Amino acid sequence: AQTVTQSQPEMSVQEAETVTLSCTYDTSESDYYLFWYKQPPSRQMILVIRQEAYKQQNATENRFSVNFQKAAKSFSLKISDSQLGDAAMYFCAYRSLLGNDMRFGAGTRLTVKP
Amino acid sequence: KAGVTQTPRYLIKTRGQQVTLSCSPISGHRSVSWYQQTPGQGLQFLFEYFSETQRNKGNFPGRFSGRQFSNSRSEMNVSTLELGDSALYLCASSGGVREETEAFFGQGTRLTVV
Repeated sequence: AQTVTQSQPEMSVQEAETVTLSCTYDTSESDYYLFWYKQPPSRQMILVIRQEAYKQQNATENRFSVNFQKAAKSFSLKISDSQLGDAAMYFCAYRSLLGNDMRFGAGTRLTVKP
Repeated sequence: KAGVTQTPRYLIKTRGQQVTLSCSPISGHRSVSWYQQTPGQGLQFLFEYFSETQRNKGNFPGRFSGRQFSNSRSEMNVSTLELGDSALYLCASSGGVREETEAFFGQGTRLTVV
């Protein structure tokens, strides 16, 4: 079974600075999807960024980028120019190609200091 | 287009009762997945329905069941409620085919069992 591990329960960053959230996963599959979701206090899970495992190029979405290391099974999220609105729980998630069930990490609570 | 709608938003039930939660996916989406979120266990996959058929199932007891209707709306039922069933229940919808990887989440139903 696939497992996702987020080893940082809490992280803090100064506004306008850069922060990196870590995620590792375990799988025997060669092709899959990885995601970072954000959950603010409103509880709505919002997709931040996704990566297809067959793509070697790291995904980027504006201030958000990932460092995908397939061999190491590592998928970290870098947030540049942090904003107060980035404060939330961040979840790393794994999804197989077949089916639509995602496996989530325990989450990292990000605090942004003004 | 309208997002994923979950009703009700909040629910209080007594131990031993049963409860039904509803999820209306984004128009055109055929896959609906359900997740349970608790502080102790994090986000756990319950089951996925695609075109009225259960396609995947997580590791939950038979008290947790679901169904999907022809219009893709889904319901989740929990019978003989236990205190440990208190959680945020999230549903997510997606196109359901391999190429449509993004899952859109509803705001969840907060269930409290007393």
